[in-house]
Amino acid sequence: DTGVSQNPRHKITKRGQNVTFRCDPISEHNRLYWYRQTLGQGPEFLTYFQNEAQLEKSRLLSDRFSAERPKGSFSTLEIQRTEQGDSAMYLCASSFPNYGYTFGSGTRLTVV
Amino acid sequence: GEDVEQSLFLSVREGDSSVINCTYTDSSSTYLYWYKQEPGAGLQLLTYIFSNMDMKQDQRLTVLLNKKDKHLSLRIADTQTGDSAIYFCAEVNNNAGNMLTFGGGTRLMVKP
Repeated sequence: DTGVSQNPRHKITKRGQNVTFRCDPISEHNRLYWYRQTLGQGPEFLTYFQNEAQLEKSRLLSDRFSAERPKGSFSTLEIQRTEQGDSAMYLCASSFPNYGYTFGSGTRLTVV
Repeated sequence: GEDVEQSLFLSVREGDSSVINCTYTDSSSTYLYWYKQEPGAGLQLLTYIFSNMDMKQDQRLTVLLNKKDKHLSLRIADTQTGDSAIYFCAEVNNNAGNMLTFGGGTRLMVKP
């Protein structure tokens, strides 16, 4: 297991299009987190899963954002009707409860 | 509420010690973390400290925690040019699935 894997590494999309990012966590980790990082800022929490259950989603930025983890393994984050303000780095992390996170390298989204 | 603050920038000469400071607000955090981020990369966990500790040393890294003042610091001894990066402190919210709240990051520049 090589760690947390995120795909794609970069995504350029036109405003109004939908995008989907994938995260493959470390296989033994039952928690999976999504964060967003804009330029010059620290990462901002979006949502997390314990196994397949999404236990916190109130911090998703708008109803255009949704996440799934259908079988408790990989996860997807979808942004519908993208806006220029959605341009950011989207980071995924996984962990055991009460242990530190392992972050992936992120997906950089550019909305033009 | 949660708020983590850091100074924006620190410049040191190679071989000197660096001290990066952080203040946090959530007194119930059980762990506090330091992450390193190099350009275009994800977050690398450097070290962490449990809230009932005052100090933790790990090779060139020393973490000091003043729980009364909610102040955390990271000291890097014998700073090298490879230490140039952005350093984030983060507090954990145990009531929200171990959600991390990050500071805005301190950019460390090491001059040869």
